[in-house]
Amino acid sequence: GQQLNQSPQSMFIQEGEDVSMNCTSSSIFNTWLWYKQDPGEGPVLLIALYKAGELTSNGRLTAQFGITRKDSFLNISASIPSDVGIYFCAGSGGTSYGKLTFGQGTILTVHP
Amino acid sequence: DAGITQSPRHKVTETGTPVTLRCHQTENHRYMYWYRQDPGHGLRLIHYSYGVKDTDKGEVSDGYSVSRSKTEDFLLTLESATSSQTSVYFCAISGAGQLSYEQYFGPGTRLTVT
Repeated sequence: GQQLNQSPQSMFIQEGEDVSMNCTSSSIFNTWLWYKQDPGEGPVLLIALYKAGELTSNGRLTAQFGITRKDSFLNISASIPSDVGIYFCAGSGGTSYGKLTFGQGTILTVHP
Repeated sequence: DAGITQSPRHKVTETGTPVTLRCHQTENHRYMYWYRQDPGHGLRLIHYSYGVKDTDKGEVSDGYSVSRSKTEDFLLTLESATSSQTSVYFCAISGAGQLSYEQYFGPGTRLTVT
């Protein structure tokens, strides 16, 4: 089946720093999404991308759908303590019924 | 926030016992999904539903069954729980068309099989 490789696995940064993470697929995807999960809660949708090359922002978060359609990137600018959590990428190659494949997640720790 | 609830939120059960987890939505969304989350594996799809009484298997369906008799409820059953099924289980919902990829998650059920 489809596989996603998400990197880095974890990040330790200082408050105010910018953050970058990415996700690569072994096959072409038609849809990329980014989620954040806080401890003890379900993942929350941050950004959805539907077109190769698309760049979409949500506040301090910016995500891009890679031109090759095999990767996606998430950037967080000027990190704050509440950015702590696990960030997941997810994608679909266009299968029916909205099925997604998820990456393993990036654990983000922000030091005040 | 999407109206999704899961019950129970926590459960401890013994090996070999049947367990049913419930997902309830108030959004009238067509698609519903069950995932399990384990360290190092991200979220893996167990089963999904594309309508009342319409379900299909995901990538890790062995040992699990599901039922959907009403739009708002999607049940996940472990017929005979095993220790390998200790996990956190999430339900998700999504709408139709392109929005079917924008899945919204419930709060999760932490299941421990002893």
